[in-house]
Amino acid sequence: AQSVTQPDIHITVSEGASLELRCNYSYGATPYLFWYVQSPGQGLQLLLKYFSGDTLVQGIKGFEAEFKRSQSSFNLRKPSVHWSDAAEYFCAVGAKSTGNQFYFGTGTSLTVIP
Amino acid sequence: KAGVTQTPRYLIKTRGQQVTLSCSPISGHRSVSWYQQTPGQGLQFLFEYFSETQRNKGNFPGRFSGRQFSNSRSEMNVSTLELGDSALYLCASSLAGDVVDTQYFGPGTRLTVL
Repeated sequence: AQSVTQPDIHITVSEGASLELRCNYSYGATPYLFWYVQSPGQGLQLLLKYFSGDTLVQGIKGFEAEFKRSQSSFNLRKPSVHWSDAAEYFCAVGAKSTGNQFYFGTGTSLTVIP
Repeated sequence: KAGVTQTPRYLIKTRGQQVTLSCSPISGHRSVSWYQQTPGQGLQFLFEYFSETQRNKGNFPGRFSGRQFSNSRSEMNVSTLELGDSALYLCASSLAGDVVDTQYFGPGTRLTVL
């Protein structure tokens, strides 16, 4: 079965600093990978996705992620964090064998210091 | 296009009661998935409906059920509520043919069981 690990429960960065959120997945075949963001009391907003092709994908709000098959990772990055980026970030994996059943990581909570 | 809408946004029930949550997908989307989000268990897949048929089901007891209507709107029902059913219930829609597809989430319904 697929699984997703987000090793960092909570990260604190200063505004303007760079950010990297880690995501490792477990799946035998090529996974479909997603990053979502959730603000308090809200649903999940899609940041970016990887299905195939170029392993560096660009998303909204200046985020990007890189798929590394050899490391089973799909880390999210942003060169300069804004205070409005403070939220919970979730990595998710889907697979053809399970259709639209996504498996989510436990999330990383991001705090941005002014 | 309008996003995924969920009603009601907040709900308070007592143990033993039953509850019905509603989800309207993005126009043209035929797949609706339901997830339960709790602080302890994170995001867990409940079930997915596509063209009025349950296509996929997570590991939840039979008290949790759902259905989808011909206009793709979906309802989720929980019978004999337990305290542990208190959670944010998220609905997601996608175009979803035969492959994994991007899921777009609604704002959720916050259910509190007293």
